[in-house]
Amino acid sequence: AQSVAQPEDQVNVAEGNPLTVKCTYSVSGNPYLFWYVQYPNRGLQFLLKYITGDNLVKGSYGFEAEFNKSQTSFHLKKPSALVSDSALYFCAVRDMNGNNRLAFGKGNQVVVIP
Amino acid sequence: NAGVTQTPKFRVLKTGQSMTLLCAQDMNHEYMYWYRQDPGMGLRLIHYSVGEGTTAKGEVPDGYNVSRLKKQNFLLGLESAAPSQTSVYFCASRKTAGRETQYFGPGTRLLVL
Repeated sequence: AQSVAQPEDQVNVAEGNPLTVKCTYSVSGNPYLFWYVQYPNRGLQFLLKYITGDNLVKGSYGFEAEFNKSQTSFHLKKPSALVSDSALYFCAVRDMNGNNRLAFGKGNQVVVIP
Repeated sequence: NAGVTQTPKFRVLKTGQSMTLLCAQDMNHEYMYWYRQDPGMGLRLIHYSVGEGTTAKGEVPDGYNVSRLKKQNFLLGLESAAPSQTSVYFCASRKTAGRETQYFGPGTRLLVL
């Protein structure tokens, strides 16, 4: 069964500094990988996904993520964090071999300090 | 195009009461999902459906039932609510293919006293 680990509960970063949110995954086959963001009292919004091809994926709001097959990681990055990036971030994985389910990590709270 | 909508937004129940949460999508998606979100536990899949008239169990199905009588609607029922079912419930949908993005509704906050 597929699974996702987001090792840090909270990530604190100063405004303007680079932001990284870590994610590692486990699947039996090749993965489809997703990042979602959740603002307070809101649903999950799609940020970006890796399906195939270029390992560096660019998404919404200036975020990008790098797929690393050897390290089974899909870390989310942003070169310069904004206070408005403060939110809960979820990594998710689906097995490419016909599995219907998306497995989510427990989420990382990102706090961008002005 | 409203995307995925959920009703109600918030509800308070007493232990033992029943209720139905409604999810609707206008994107003609085949797959629909119900999740619950609890602090520190991420999202856990309750039930899902791969098409009209079909449903399947997820990770935490006990205490819940679902129905998908129409393609655009996915109902989640609590027959006898328990305090352990206090949570935020999210519905999601996607097209058939595995590479497709899953889209989420705004959530329903449920408090069981």
